[in-house]
Amino acid sequence: GIQVEQSPPDLILQEGANSTLRCNFSDSVNNLQWFHQNPWGQLINLFYIPSGTKQNGRLSATTVATERYSLLYISSSQTTDSGVYFCAVLTGANSKLTFGKGITLSVRP
Amino acid sequence: DTGVSQNPRHKITKRGQNVTFRCDPISEHNRLYWYRQTLGQGPEFLTYFQNEAQLEKSRLLSDRFSAERPKGSFSTLEIQRTEQGDSAMYLCASSLTGSYYGYTFGSGTRLTVV
Repeated sequence: GIQVEQSPPDLILQEGANSTLRCNFSDSVNNLQWFHQNPWGQLINLFYIPSGTKQNGRLSATTVATERYSLLYISSSQTTDSGVYFCAVLTGANSKLTFGKGITLSVRP
Repeated sequence: DTGVSQNPRHKITKRGQNVTFRCDPISEHNRLYWYRQTLGQGPEFLTYFQNEAQLEKSRLLSDRFSAERPKGSFSTLEIQRTEQGDSAMYLCASSLTGSYYGYTFGSGTRLTVV
């Protein structure tokens, strides 16, 4: 099956800093989603972005499908951005999302 | 619409007991998915329904696990004879048919088997 790798596994930032989270995938995808999992376990959908660039406030995402990667940018980070960020992909005839292992982000005040 | 709702939020059970979780999807979503997440890992697919039909089951779903979606609305996930290895977060998600629609996840049910 498809492999989804996220990097770096852990990231520590000072409040106000910018960061880039990366997701590589091993095969072509029909869709890609970025999620933020808060400390209570809720997975919050940030973007679904099979290709191109989208922006939502301080967050933006870019997927380059032909090169099989996606990037999530966080600008002017805040402590509330802390948590685990997951990339998940949907492929071919499958209807299930395959997740990466996640990136744990800690934003310090 | 209040999103995807899961009950209970937490469940502690003794090894060998049966447990049942419930998921209420977004009302207009015809697809419903169950995932399991263990500590430090991403969610792993268990099974999914399109309306009331269960279309795919993961190898992770042993014969002690059963899922139903009797009227194409809410779903239940039952685990029989629980084992300590079943301790995990069980997540439910729903979507519309079509890969271009995103998934919406519930808050999950955290199961602890003691």
